[in-house]
Amino acid sequence: GQQLNQSPQSMFIQEGEDVSMNCTSSSIFNTWLWYKQDPGEGPVLLIALYKAGELTSNGRLTAQFGITRKDSFLNISASIPSDVGIYFCAGTGFQKLVFGTGTRLLVSP
Amino acid sequence: GAVVSQHPSRVICKSGTSVKIECRSLDFQATTMFWYRQFPKQSLMLMATSNEGSKATYEQGVEKDKFLINHASLTLSTLTVTSAHPEDSSFYICSARTGVINSPLHFGNGTRLTVT
Repeated sequence: GQQLNQSPQSMFIQEGEDVSMNCTSSSIFNTWLWYKQDPGEGPVLLIALYKAGELTSNGRLTAQFGITRKDSFLNISASIPSDVGIYFCAGTGFQKLVFGTGTRLLVSP
Repeated sequence: GAVVSQHPSRVICKSGTSVKIECRSLDFQATTMFWYRQFPKQSLMLMATSNEGSKATYEQGVEKDKFLINHASLTLSTLTVTSAHPEDSSFYICSARTGVINSPLHFGNGTRLTVT
């Protein structure tokens, strides 16, 4: 099935550092979503983006919908240990949601 | 927020038996539900899309006779893994959305299937 290219694949950072991850696609999407998945659980929606160029924040998280509609990034500021998990971007054109390959984030106290 | 409940959370079955997984939208009507499969350390791969009252649409490479999907009501979709084999062991996750354009997907907590 189709997947989005997400980078980096994994990150190991110190508590308090800022984090940035991005997602690129060869296709244009109408909606970009960012999810976090903890082990053994389903993904939880963090941020939804509906418009090219849109910049949206949710607490310490900020995400942007790329102007070309083919990319998006997620920033986490002042990371804390509970930020640990796998972050997935996802894009949808009309109905089907395609997932990125995931970024595994580890935070050292 | 929207809640999607998936049951069971874990199931172990013997090779050759069938397993049914339920996905319910608890506080909204889900006109469309999606079933994903996730292997360890990999991303979610869409298996099929089910619309209430109609046949499911399966992704390429997914056997529709093996993975039976029923979406009989606006709040319930089921996935039945028939004649399960060890290679079917995986994390199965359902998701649901309302009929509103661009409404985001909400996910269940997943079902860990182990076939022995």
